[in-house]
Order: sequence, then structure tokens, then C-alpha cells
Amino acid sequence: QKEVEQDPGPLSVPEGAIVSLNCTYSNSAFQYFMWYRQYSRKGPELLMYTYSSGNKEDGRFTAQVDKSSKYISLFIRDSQPSDSATYLCAMSYYQAGTALIFGKGTTLSVSS
Amino acid sequence: EPEVTQTPSHQVTQMGQEVILRCVPISNHLYFYWYRQILGQKVEFLVSFYNNEISEKSEIFDDQFSVERPDGSNFTLKIRSTKLEDSAMYFCASSGGGEVDYGYTFGSGTRLTVV
Repeated sequence: QKEVEQDPGPLSVPEGAIVSLNCTYSNSAFQYFMWYRQYSRKGPELLMYTYSSGNKEDGRFTAQVDKSSKYISLFIRDSQPSDSATYLCAMSYYQAGTALIFGKGTTLSVSS
Repeated sequence: EPEVTQTPSHQVTQMGQEVILRCVPISNHLYFYWYRQILGQKVEFLVSFYNNEISEKSEIFDDQFSVERPDGSNFTLKIRSTKLEDSAMYFCASSGGGEVDYGYTFGSGTRLTVV
């Protein structure tokens, strides 16, 4: 069983739609959960960071972590064409100094 | 906004040659990392570095690889005797500043092509 599973998409939505991106994981020891955005041939850019279970909101983005189900989500409200990118979930056991385990990424396309 | 800087952006090398990839992490960060991403695949952890020594490494990070912090600002990844399968994007990252600082900040990457 893979450690972090993420539906690769592609996911295509019209501008203004609400987007839901999800990851599941197998190791209950993960404590820190992140969402990154990656444009083609660029480095991952941190969008959201969550510790343990709960919700976190930042502008149009909301991250949810459900540790009991080993499931994390990223919601994007009022999606824009500039949101078109690959979204990577990542998680780790500790806050720093340890490996981030990534999902494969979901490719999102927002059309105007 | 502080950023992680990587050089070169693209390197082509012949199989069997040694390459050094360079990174300047965010200045007040304490932890440094290398990751790689083979085209179409996941971002994979290679190694983490703290207090001038390796704190964790993956199975990928074998004797072919080494890391070094030669001065107060640079962090390098050396790949000895490169193989075709080493062709990938290599990302440097840093984390953990003196104040509360969450998440890992990645550089734009070095695209390594082994021919």
C-alpha cells in the first residue's frame, strides 16, 4: 500500500467553481500536513500548512485534515485561471528536519 | 519574500561524470534538504541536513550522493559517476527559522540531464 495516494486528475473546472482536492494516507504517525502548488518545471510552492486534525482557512483556500479517516482535503473557492497548476499534498512526522512524503499531485485546469 | 536559490537551472552532463548542484537556503533556516522529481513522478526525499550533518536520508541517497555546507550560505549536492536514471529535477528546500516558521520552502530546481 502506497503511503500517500492522490488522484492525479486531470481536473477541469470553469472559472468561479469550487474545487476539492484530496489525499489519503496509510501511516497514522503523520502529524504535519501541507499543500503545495507546482507550475510546470518549477519548484513546489507552499500554500497551506496544518498540524494534526482540523480546518485552516487562508483567503480562497481551506485545508481540512481528518486524522481518524487518514484523509486531507484542499478546497479552492472562486477558482481562477491562475489557479491552473499541479497541487501536491505532503506530510511529515515532525515539524522540521525530516522527510516530506508527497502525493503524486493533481493537475487542475481552470477555464475562463 | 525570502527564497531558496538554486544554480544552475539546467545542467547537462555525460554519464559517469560528477556534478555538483548548488543551493542558497533562506538565511535564518536551520534545516536543509534535497529532493528529486523524475519527470511525471512524485517528488522524492533524498536527504535532510542539520547542524552540519545528515539527519535523515532515503534509500535513494546511496554512496553516489553526498551533501556539504561549505560555508555559511551554500548547500551542495554532489552526484558522483552519474547514471542515465539520475536525470531529474533536483530541488533544494529549507525550513525552521529562529521564530515560528512552518513548512518547507523549495527552490526552483536544477534540471539535470545525463546523456
